[in-house]
Amino acid sequence: GQNIDQPTEMTATEGAIVQINCTYQTSGFNGLFWYQQHAGEAPTFLSYNVLDGLEEKGRFSSFLSRSKGYSYLLLKELQMKDSASYLCAVTRNQAGTALIFGKGTTLSVSS
Amino acid sequence: DTGVSQNPRHKITKRGQNVTFRCDPISEHNRLYWYRQTLGQGPEFLTYFQNEAQLEKSRLLSDRFSAERPKGSFSTLEIQRTEQGDSAMYLCASSSGGQGAREQFFGPGTRLTVL
Repeated sequence: GQNIDQPTEMTATEGAIVQINCTYQTSGFNGLFWYQQHAGEAPTFLSYNVLDGLEEKGRFSSFLSRSKGYSYLLLKELQMKDSASYLCAVTRNQAGTALIFGKGTTLSVSS
Repeated sequence: DTGVSQNPRHKITKRGQNVTFRCDPISEHNRLYWYRQTLGQGPEFLTYFQNEAQLEKSRLLSDRFSAERPKGSFSTLEIQRTEQGDSAMYLCASSSGGQGAREQFFGPGTRLTVL
């Protein structure tokens, strides 16, 4: 079966750093995506990892370990606007078709 | 092109009625996806098109659901004999083709409420 786990909720304060973990067990793997979704809005792309290691993009970084079935999203210098749901998603095959999403982690940033 | 668009944005219907949603992808994207999302959950994959060919369907897509992409551009998702359990946000996404995974761009969704 397919299983993607992430914490349900996290809280943090402005200016802090937060790490959102994701573990996955899927039949096949061809990459892991992180999406951000504000309440009532569509998911928007944050990052993509297919090889082991860290990908950095501004305040956001994403890490992947394929051997451990593990990824994390690191958010630095948190801002109030970062309050959102963060979705971890895996694509299984080389064609890169369906995304299998976790349930998402709701991050609340307070001042 | 301003992105993926979906119509209508909201639909309220009575149980047993048929509904149809439309998705217009980013114009140069040949891949189109439908997902369903309920409150507190991540999106669940329903089906995938490459150009006009429907290449993958989830087991979630019962025989009451049908999707088309007749000319490889816009797509429609029809739900027949709606049930209360069909109430959800229906999301459409599109991506470019080629080898490997591609970033999927999501539309704003159609929120369906079945009374």
